[in-house]
Amino acid sequence: AQTVTQSQPEMSVQEAETVTLSCTYDTSESDYYLFWYKQPPSRQMILVIRQEAYKQQNATENRFSVNFQKAAKSFSLKISDSQLGDAAMYFCASTSNSNSGYALNFGKGTSLLVTP
Amino acid sequence: EAGVAQSPRYKIIEKRQSVAFWCNPISGHATLYWYQQILGQGPKLLIQFQNNGVVDDSQLPKDRFSAERLKGVDSTLKIQPAKLEDSAVYLCASRRGGGYTFGSGTRLTVV
Repeated sequence: AQTVTQSQPEMSVQEAETVTLSCTYDTSESDYYLFWYKQPPSRQMILVIRQEAYKQQNATENRFSVNFQKAAKSFSLKISDSQLGDAAMYFCASTSNSNSGYALNFGKGTSLLVTP
Repeated sequence: EAGVAQSPRYKIIEKRQSVAFWCNPISGHATLYWYQQILGQGPKLLIQFQNNGVVDDSQLPKDRFSAERLKGVDSTLKIQPAKLEDSAVYLCASRRGGGYTFGSGTRLTVV
């Protein structure tokens, strides 16, 4: 079974500072997608960033960027210039294989606290 | 484009009662997923539909959970009878290509 591991249950960052959330995954697929989702108390899963495994270039979305290390199966999220609105649960996810319909496998999440 | 709609938003039931959740995916999204998210954990896949056919229900507790997607559009997830450990958020998501969209979920509390 494919697994996604987030080893940091909680992280804290000061406003305007940078924080990195860690994620490792295990897959036997050669082509797959990786995601970071943000889940605020409203429960809505909001896509933060997506990485296609065949692309070597790390994905970037404004203040959010990833460090994708395919050989190490590592996919960390860097949040720059942290804002109070970034406080939420963050989930790392990978796609399963085609036999499983590309369902997302999620890690246990990292709770991010942003302090003024 | 409208998002994934789910209802109800909250539900409180006693154990052994039955409950049903409804999901309306984004128009044109053939693939629909139901996830269970227990407090403090990541979402876990329960069942996946492609149009109105089941692709994967290997993690669905079939003795008490059932789901259907008639006409390949909206879907219902039912629990009968509910147990205390079924207390969770039930998320519905739909997909087209590499884009996944989630609903806001239903928070179920079983007392």
